[in-house]
Amino acid sequence: EPEVTQTPSHQVTQMGQEVILRCVPISNHLYFYWYRQILGQKVEFLVSFYNNEISEKSEIFDDQFSVERPDGSNFTLKIRSTKLEDSAMYFCATSGLAEQETQYFGPGTRLLVL
Amino acid sequence: LAKTTQPISMDSYEGQEVNITCSHNNIATNDYITWYQQFPSQGPRFIIQGYKTKVTNEVASLFIPADRKSSTLSLPRVSLSDTAVYYCLVGGGDTDKLIFGTGTRLQVFP
Repeated sequence: EPEVTQTPSHQVTQMGQEVILRCVPISNHLYFYWYRQILGQKVEFLVSFYNNEISEKSEIFDDQFSVERPDGSNFTLKIRSTKLEDSAMYFCATSGLAEQETQYFGPGTRLLVL
Repeated sequence: LAKTTQPISMDSYEGQEVNITCSHNNIATNDYITWYQQFPSQGPRFIIQGYKTKVTNEVASLFIPADRKSSTLSLPRVSLSDTAVYYCLVGGGDTDKLIFGTGTRLQVFP
């Protein structure tokens, strides 16, 4: 069964540092998403991405965040200057072309900002 | 986006059938109903999706009444490994973002 993969599985960084989280979508999927889940809290939508541009973003997705698909396969989330409150699990999800297509989630990257 | 309401927690024993009901009174005409399962420190895993009536797959069944204001996820013969949080989500109409609630924490006992 095709899977979404994410790297790294864990990342520890110092406050103010930049981090890049990577996702490899399921091969024929064209819609990409990032979500985050702070420990003990709900899964929160960050951003959706289609056709090389952002489709929708939440209030959380401020100027410190950016997404891109640099090589046509990987889908990345960059946090420019991390804050303590960015510590969370970050999940990538992908879906296919059909309007009601299901979003398939990756295993997540656990980010810890010290 | 339609808000969903589901029980905070449920307990069951191995081998029993578990039914988790979700209310979504403001569901839109073009919204689908999707259920996900999440284990600690893992990504949400798709279980089942439906629009109306009944949908069944190898893992679960989803019952949706005619008015679509609620839905029931049915897990047949649960095992200890079904202990997880189950989320009911409604959407797929005007927006593709998923809005997660707090879910239902299912605890299965031996």
